[in-house]
Amino acid sequence: GDSVTQMEGPVTLSEEAFLTINCTYTATGYPSLFWYVQYPGEGLQLLLKATKADDKGSNKGFEATYRKETTSFHLEKGSVQVSDSAVYFCALRLFSGGYNKLIFGAGTRLAVHP
Amino acid sequence: SAVISQKPSRDICQRGTSLTIQCQVDSQVTMMFWYRQQPGQSLTLIATANQGSEATYESGFVIDKFPISRPNLTFSTLTVSNMSPEDSSIYLCSVDGGLRETQYFGPGTRLLVL
Repeated sequence: GDSVTQMEGPVTLSEEAFLTINCTYTATGYPSLFWYVQYPGEGLQLLLKATKADDKGSNKGFEATYRKETTSFHLEKGSVQVSDSAVYFCALRLFSGGYNKLIFGAGTRLAVHP
Repeated sequence: SAVISQKPSRDICQRGTSLTIQCQVDSQVTMMFWYRQQPGQSLTLIATANQGSEATYESGFVIDKFPISRPNLTFSTLTVSNMSPEDSSIYLCSVDGGLRETQYFGPGTRLLVL
């Protein structure tokens, strides 16, 4: 079935370090891909998206490229800040049962220390 | 993007009681969704709510436990019935942003059942 797999956390980094959070997916058809972020005590916010192969989504210094050949959508940031500490969810969207359905990965907790 | 509010933001309830969570959107939307996020876990879709029709429940969720109302295009409620400590979770509502968009989430309702 359709699914999303993320690297397990927690990921602990020092400020200004490079970040990669791996995400791979299994899906029939051509899903859209998303990264959501959940800051402590808050709901989910859309971070970035890509709707077709080779698209690069970017926002707030974060980037992810839709790689159809490797079925991946890895999240990267060149220099993380303490304020980036949060849980990051990779998700795919597909049309099923008459509506657009989101399937989430397990989430990866990121802790950035000064 | 839609602006979504939820009430209450958090609550502490006794087992055996019920809680109704409200979700209000600032624009008319066709599809609304209810998710559960258990502690330290990812999001699980409970049901999809269309205005004017019965909600569609995902496997493992039933109407008697999680009745949903959708009286108009900007509002929905989710009731968690006969609660037990296992129902302690964050409950989030979301709306479909349309063909080229993703789902947008409310801030969530944090429920603790004692």
